[in-house]
Amino acid sequence: DGGITQSPKYLFRKEGQNVTLSCEQNLNHDAMYWYRQDPGQGLRLIYYSQIVNDFQKGDIAEGYSVSREKKESFPLTVTSAQKNPTAFYLCASTREGRGANVLTFGAGSRLTVL
Amino acid sequence: GQNIDQPTEMTATEGAIVQINCTYQTSGFNGLFWYQQHAGEAPTFLSYNVLDGLEEKGRFSSFLSRSKGYSYLLLKELQMKDSASYLCAVRSSNTGKLIFGQGTTLQVKP
Repeated sequence: DGGITQSPKYLFRKEGQNVTLSCEQNLNHDAMYWYRQDPGQGLRLIYYSQIVNDFQKGDIAEGYSVSREKKESFPLTVTSAQKNPTAFYLCASTREGRGANVLTFGAGSRLTVL
Repeated sequence: GQNIDQPTEMTATEGAIVQINCTYQTSGFNGLFWYQQHAGEAPTFLSYNVLDGLEEKGRFSSFLSRSKGYSYLLLKELQMKDSASYLCAVRSSNTGKLIFGQGTTLQVKP
């Protein structure tokens, strides 16, 4: 079945460490997105990529980095510069074009900084 | 600015009907989405409105009024499994980005 796979599901990090969250999709979708979700807040866009080898900052990109070397993969690195990284991270993808362009989400990765 | 408002929490009884409202102010409009999210899981797509009116999908319906910047999600014949958060999101025609509301947590009681 087609879908989006995020790993790890749970991750603990010490302050000052970088961590990378994996996102892989086999939907042949062009665009991929990373969102952050905090309690009581809406999903906030971190980074997005509409084609391979290109990506743009979202609304809260500071302290994060991404790469898009393959269509299927869009890993997110949470760097030590991110001051409050504890959150639920969601990866999503869409097939760009006319129409609704509905986002399909992965199951999420919950990052906790100790 | 851009803003989407939804009630934070709602409670309803199994078998009843509940309406979750969403009001929005965005720079241009190119569609409104409703997603369902169970705790700790991924959001799943429920409905999409781009023209005014009501879209019906089984027990779920979604309404849009672009002139009023208003939408609602109507859930009929509530079941316990409908207990979840419901996210309203609007796509800006200016930026192409989706803007999410904070979500409405619905608790269905027996």
